Amino acid sequence: NAGVTQTPKFQVLKTGQSMTLQCAQDMNHEYMSWYRQDPGMGLRLIHYSVGAGITDQGEVPNGYNVSRSTTEDFPLRLLSAAPSQTSVYFCASSYSIGTPYGYTFGSGTRLTVV
Amino acid sequence: SQQGEEDPQALSIQEGENATMNCSYKTSINNLQWYRQNSGRGLVHLILIRSNEREKHSGRLRVTLDTSKKSSSLLITASRAADTASYFCATPVAAGNKLTFGGGTRVLVKP
Repeated sequence: NAGVTQTPKFQVLKTGQSMTLQCAQDMNHEYMSWYRQDPGMGLRLIHYSVGAGITDQGEVPNGYNVSRSTTEDFPLRLLSAAPSQTSVYFCASSYSIGTPYGYTFGSGTRLTVV
Repeated sequence: SQQGEEDPQALSIQEGENATMNCSYKTSINNLQWYRQNSGRGLVHLILIRSNEREKHSGRLRVTLDTSKKSSSLLITASRAADTASYFCATPVAAGNKLTFGGGTRVLVKP
């Protein structure tokens, strides 16, 4: 089924560990983004990409890296996990910001850092 | 700081009633989008309204946009228990490359 696939769905990390959250879409979307969602905070943009090889920072980029080597994949790397990074992470993609279909979201990765 | 802010933060209604929520934003936009999030799930796009549109309908949803007041409203008519969810407005900023979200309105529809 076409859509945005995020893996893993759940993850527990120890402080200082690193990991990569995977995001893949099969809709040939140019735009891809990573958000984190914390209780009472809504969604905050971490990083985004407007095409392969092009990435830029969002509101809360510190502690995270991204790369976009292909149109399909947009992994998010946590360099040294901290308890403040405990959150639900969502990947989203779109043809463009103005498309009437909006963004397509993945089902999320729930990350706990202990 | 967030571009969009929803009001109210929470809303509780009986099945069959209408639900109205509002979104205010800060900078000029070329479109505004509404999303729904069911508990524990990703967001689902509901409707997009462009800056040159004042009202748009999709099924039981009605969205209005007032660019002079920098505000939008989402009306859900004849609500159902399945409409229980959080609803977010989102606007593109930074030349359209970033989509920013408000804090959301939690809607509870009681059967």
